[in-house]
Amino acid sequence: KQEVTQIPAALSVPEGENLVLNCSFTDSAIYNLQWFRQDPGKGLTSLLLIQSSQREQTSGRLNASLDKSSGRSTLYIAASQPGDSATYLCAVSLGGSNYKLTFGKGTLLTVNP
Amino acid sequence: NAGVMQNPRHLVRRRGQEARLRCSPVKGHSHVYWYRQLPEEGLKFMVYLQKENIIDESGMPKERFSAEFPKEGPSILRIQQVVRGDSAAYFCASSPMLSDEQYFGPGTRLTVT
Repeated sequence: KQEVTQIPAALSVPEGENLVLNCSFTDSAIYNLQWFRQDPGKGLTSLLLIQSSQREQTSGRLNASLDKSSGRSTLYIAASQPGDSATYLCAVSLGGSNYKLTFGKGTLLTVNP
Repeated sequence: NAGVMQNPRHLVRRRGQEARLRCSPVKGHSHVYWYRQLPEEGLKFMVYLQKENIIDESGMPKERFSAEFPKEGPSILRIQQVVRGDSAAYFCASSPMLSDEQYFGPGTRLTVT
């Protein structure tokens, strides 16, 4: 059974800091991995999707890496801003298809001005 | 283009009543997924549907829960005789093809009193 763990559960940083969020998964036979952002009381916004054959993806100040063999992914946020404050979720797809995303519980990020 | 739409956004039901949650996928998307987010828990897969077919309902409780995605109209998640433990945020996602990225709606927050 696939399990996804995110560390830390919560993180508070001053504005401008670079930071790393961690995600680990128990079964390395994933199809892809997605990072989402969830604002309080809102839905999920997809940030980055990494296919299993890829090592990393970048979008603006965000960079996500994937190491399938070790079952790990990191989300790097450069020059953090108060608007980055949200819960960040990591999700992996099971097996060879893209449905049944398995989610971690998320990291609650607070960026202080 | 409109994204995934869910209504209502908030729903309050008394124990024993029925809850109907609606999801309109992105136009042109024929794959719909429902996930549930319980308080302090990660999102959990419930059911995957294509037009007029339930493909995978392995994450859905066997009793009181049902889902449909008719040829015309939105996908419906129905919960009969709700109990307090059903209080959660229910998210719908859609994709154009099975292996594609899933786009999430804003969710319906169900409160059972």
